[in-house]
Amino acid sequence: QVQLQESGPGLVKPSQTLSLTCTVSGGSISSGSYFWSWIRQPAGKGLEWIGRIYTSGSTNYNPSLKSRVTISVDTSKNQFSLKLSSVTAADTAVYYCASEVLYSFDIWGQGTMVTVSS
Amino acid sequence: QTVVTQEPSFSVSPGGTVTLTCGLSSGSVSTSYYPSWYQQTPGQAPRTLIYSTNTHSSGVPDRFSGSILGNKAALTITGAQADDESDYYCVLYMGSGIYVFGTGTKVNVL
Repeated sequence: QVQLQESGPGLVKPSQTLSLTCTVSGGSISSGSYFWSWIRQPAGKGLEWIGRIYTSGSTNYNPSLKSRVTISVDTSKNQFSLKLSSVTAADTAVYYCASEVLYSFDIWGQGTMVTVSS
Repeated sequence: QTVVTQEPSFSVSPGGTVTLTCGLSSGSVSTSYYPSWYQQTPGQAPRTLIYSTNTHSSGVPDRFSGSILGNKAALTITGAQADDESDYYCVLYMGSGIYVFGTGTKVNVL
């Protein structure tokens, strides 16, 4: 059974870069049919898709975040990562990683809370 | 910017039926958007219910069903139970590798 686990700093200063990693266990990140996505949710608000990566390195990003987002993959470590630059308080949220297949997000990590504050 | 709209909230009686919808700020939702539906309880990650309009995710009870109703995607809960009280989100695939989440619907079972 594939499982996903987010990790990274829980506190980031304004204007700095938020960096998170998602570790895939129980299966290979290189499984051909899967994309790997990041999704976030501010407290008390809805979900927002951030972007995704295929193991070839091909990426797609939410147009509203595209200028600040980089998603990368490390197949040797079975991980993919998120970098969000120039963060503000509006980027405070629970960040989820998820696998995507057949146009849906089928397996989710438990989420990690990131607060942007000085 | 595309907005995917859902009803803010719904109340349903135990054993009752409720239909949630997922629409576009501009245009109609069709199967080409591959609508999917997710259930989220407080403090938990979302759980996939339905994908590709009407396909059940593994382990999801048959009382959840997906469809296209008019110009919107729909999730129907038939025979609502107390533990169906949750937030529900739809997601639409907009093409070119882009997804948009709906605004979410809070369902109360009372």
